[in-house]
Amino acid sequence: AQSVTQLDSQVPVFEEAPVELRCNYSSSVSVYLFWYVQYPNQGLQLLLKYLSGSTLVKGINGFEAEFNKSQTSFHLRKPSVHISDTAEYFCAVSDRGSSYKLIFGSGTRLLVRP
Amino acid sequence: SAVISQKPSRDICQRGTSLTIQCQVDSQVTMMFWYRQQPGQSLTLIATANQGSEATYESGFVIDKFPISRPNLTFSTLTVSNMSPEDSSIYLCSVRTTTNEKLFFGSGTQLSVL
Repeated sequence: AQSVTQLDSQVPVFEEAPVELRCNYSSSVSVYLFWYVQYPNQGLQLLLKYLSGSTLVKGINGFEAEFNKSQTSFHLRKPSVHISDTAEYFCAVSDRGSSYKLIFGSGTRLLVRP
Repeated sequence: SAVISQKPSRDICQRGTSLTIQCQVDSQVTMMFWYRQQPGQSLTLIATANQGSEATYESGFVIDKFPISRPNLTFSTLTVSNMSPEDSSIYLCSVRTTTNEKLFFGSGTQLSVL
């Protein structure tokens, strides 16, 4: 069965610094990959997704992620973070055969400090 | 896109009672799901709510504990029955629209069981 690992439970970073949030998944079969963000007291919002094609995916709010099949990773990056990026970030994966069923990682809390 | 209204947003309940959570979507959607997010853990799929028929439950979840209804294409309820403190979680409604792979999430119901 699929599993998703987000090794960092919390990532503190100063404003305008770059950040990378790590995500690894367990299976090498064809998958769809997603990053969701959850701002305080709000629902989950899709940041970006990889379905096929280019391995570098650009999302909203200046975030991007790169699909690396050999390393089964889908790390999220932003070159310069803002205070408003403080939130919980979830990586998720689904097998292409059941694209609606998402397996989520445990989440990484990004804490941006001034 | 889809706008999801989930009620209640939070509740504190006594052990042994039941709580019904409602999920209303502003447009017809193909699939509706219920997820659970336990404290400090990732989201776990409870079940797929099927219109007009019994929900499809994931391993570890049963209908007697989490009865689900979906009378039409825009509305679903999840009941958490005979609650215990272990049921304290955030419960999220999620929908998939007809047009893309994206899942939309409600803002969640934070349940605390005393």
